[in-house]
Amino acid sequence: GAVVSQHPSWVICKSGTSVKIECRSLDFQATTMFWYRQFPKQSLMLMATSNEGSKATYEQGVEKDKFLINHASLTLSTLTVTSAHPEDSSFYICSALNRNEGLAGGRTDTQYFGPGTRLTVL
Amino acid sequence: TQLLEQSPQFLSIQEGENLTVYCNSSSVFSSLQWYRQEPGEGPVLLVTVVTGGEVKKLKRLTFQFGDARKDSSLHITAAQPGDTGLYLCAGVRSGTYKYIFGTGTRLKVLA
Repeated sequence: GAVVSQHPSWVICKSGTSVKIECRSLDFQATTMFWYRQFPKQSLMLMATSNEGSKATYEQGVEKDKFLINHASLTLSTLTVTSAHPEDSSFYICSALNRNEGLAGGRTDTQYFGPGTRLTVL
Repeated sequence: TQLLEQSPQFLSIQEGENLTVYCNSSSVFSSLQWYRQEPGEGPVLLVTVVTGGEVKKLKRLTFQFGDARKDSSLHITAAQPGDTGLYLCAGVRSGTYKYIFGTGTRLKVLA
């Protein structure tokens, strides 16, 4: 199956610092990746869509200047949490879109998820 | 606005019991995925259903996509402790590839 990696798996930082999280698709190319945030015992909340070679598309309520996304290659997207504060502490998960041709020419696009990054801001 | 409601939210059962998780919406989806997530890890894809009325089986798990492609169910037969986790459905609308995630069902299977 398709494999997506994230690095680091966990990070602890001081308030005011910036943290970069990497998301890589290991065995397929992904022109589109997604960044999610997940609070304890809740479902995933989409933050932004990362498009290779163009600007990311952010969901309503997500600060673009706070969460910088760069998708410089077909296998790598990065999320930088700038000037992190304790309220930014969360589990951040990325996914990479694997586009497939299904039966009769239809598409079955599937997202494969990374293992997540636990961010703790002190 | 949560467009995909899952029920139940929480379920604690004994090993060997059967259970069904439901994923309901008023929207039509071109495809629907089911994922299972363990604490501290990313969601792992279980199945993708595309056709209305489609039924897929994965060992003891049976997935069904509603005829109108608005809802789906996951049935687990003879649950085992290894089935414990957060089950998430995610729908994709036509013309887009963004997922709309369900509210999640947290399952605990006791030995």
